[in-house]
Amino acid sequence: EAGVTQFPSHSVIEKGQTVTLRCDPISGHDNLYWYRRVMGKEIKFLLHFVKESKQDESGMPNNRFLAERTGGTYSTLKVQPAELEDSGVYFCASSLGTGRLGEQFFGPGTRLTVL
Amino acid sequence: AQTVTQSQPEMSVQEAETVTLSCTYDTSESDYYLFWYKQPPSRQMILVIRQEAYKQQNATENRFSVNFQKAAKSFSLKISDSQLGDAAMYFCAYTRLNDMRFGAGTRLTVKP
Repeated sequence: EAGVTQFPSHSVIEKGQTVTLRCDPISGHDNLYWYRRVMGKEIKFLLHFVKESKQDESGMPNNRFLAERTGGTYSTLKVQPAELEDSGVYFCASSLGTGRLGEQFFGPGTRLTVL
Repeated sequence: AQTVTQSQPEMSVQEAETVTLSCTYDTSESDYYLFWYKQPPSRQMILVIRQEAYKQQNATENRFSVNFQKAAKSFSLKISDSQLGDAAMYFCAYTRLNDMRFGAGTRLTVKP
């Protein structure tokens, strides 16, 4: 069974440009999460989808970040325009359920560098 | 807000020895879940062990075990008979239902 996949693995862009990150969850997992780890700091929650709906987007830093999950399958996270402080590793995770069923399986992450 | 603290940015252990990684958390909830995730270099995070707060018994997975002290809000990870493949970043995490709160991580080095 394929795990969570993310694309690209690395992205280097200039300040002011736009970048779109993609996450493909494990098939059948309704729950999809985005996290971010800024260098040396803790991994921070960004948002949570249940199918195509945003269940919780309290961690989204500002309106330059837009997440979508069309059809409840893969998800994209767009940063527009990118700023220097957006650099970090963006992780996606998926789970079958929440609570006791909520083991989250993580993707390898996308390392974003904004110059 | 729930916070998770890992006070050891780096730890090292001799191969075959035992090491304990510390984690404390802050919550006002009584029912929640705690996890230890491992991220080897250039590889994705994998779940090492999980503890449900309502269970008093400490979770164990082969060489990995936890010391869960609910009153003290402490959740340490013990790795016995350390192996070279245990070298990784270890993240402690807390969740109630949805979003997971992570600590800053502990980088474990295993010396041959």
